[in-house]
Amino acid sequence: DTGVSQDPRHKITKRGQNVTFRCDPISEHNRLYWYRQTLGQGPEFLTYFQNEAQLEKSRLLSDRFSAERPKGSFSTLEIQRTEQGDSAMYLCASQKVQGTIHEQYFGPGTRLTVT
Amino acid sequence: AQSVAQPEDQVNVAEGNPLTVKCTYSVSGNPYLFWYVQYPNRGLQFLLKYITGDNLVKGSYGFEAEFNKSQTSFHLKKPSALVSDSALYFCAVRDNAGNMLTFGGGTRLMVKP
Repeated sequence: DTGVSQDPRHKITKRGQNVTFRCDPISEHNRLYWYRQTLGQGPEFLTYFQNEAQLEKSRLLSDRFSAERPKGSFSTLEIQRTEQGDSAMYLCASQKVQGTIHEQYFGPGTRLTVT
Repeated sequence: AQSVAQPEDQVNVAEGNPLTVKCTYSVSGNPYLFWYVQYPNRGLQFLLKYITGDNLVKGSYGFEAEFNKSQTSFHLKKPSALVSDSALYFCAVRDNAGNMLTFGGGTRLMVKP
């Protein structure tokens, strides 16, 4: 059973550069979520997709952030003009919306360090 | 707005003793409640959930949680702690109309031999 995968696992970038992360959800999971987790805090919701449609975005998702899920399978999260405050763990989760299944399954995360 | 509070940053327990990790929540309507565990440099692993039904729910690795509506709590419990249970534990809530999870700040569980 293949879980949620994320790539890369670690990314170090200089302030002002653009970065892109990829998430591959569990097969047949129609919902995909992005969260951000800073050190010592719980994850915070950023956005989610139902198939290819982006249905909700947090106020945390500034206009420098953009997410896509073009074919309803994998998703990408791009951060433009990175700032030091963007340094965090970016977590992806997927969920199969069916019956009593409500839990989200998380990937290992991408740790971003902006220098 | 929904919220979750985990009042203890860290819980220390001796191996073999029972453990409790506390969680209280605030949400409109009926809550959907979850516990996740996070090991170093890894994502969150789902432990258990309460959606409806029995107030005591059982999950992975011998963990269970008790839903108390009047106290708006969902404490995580285990009868006998293992050293390998040492990790960061997160409680999360969503309402029955929403989709996103709101997490607490996490509680570090330290089980000593």
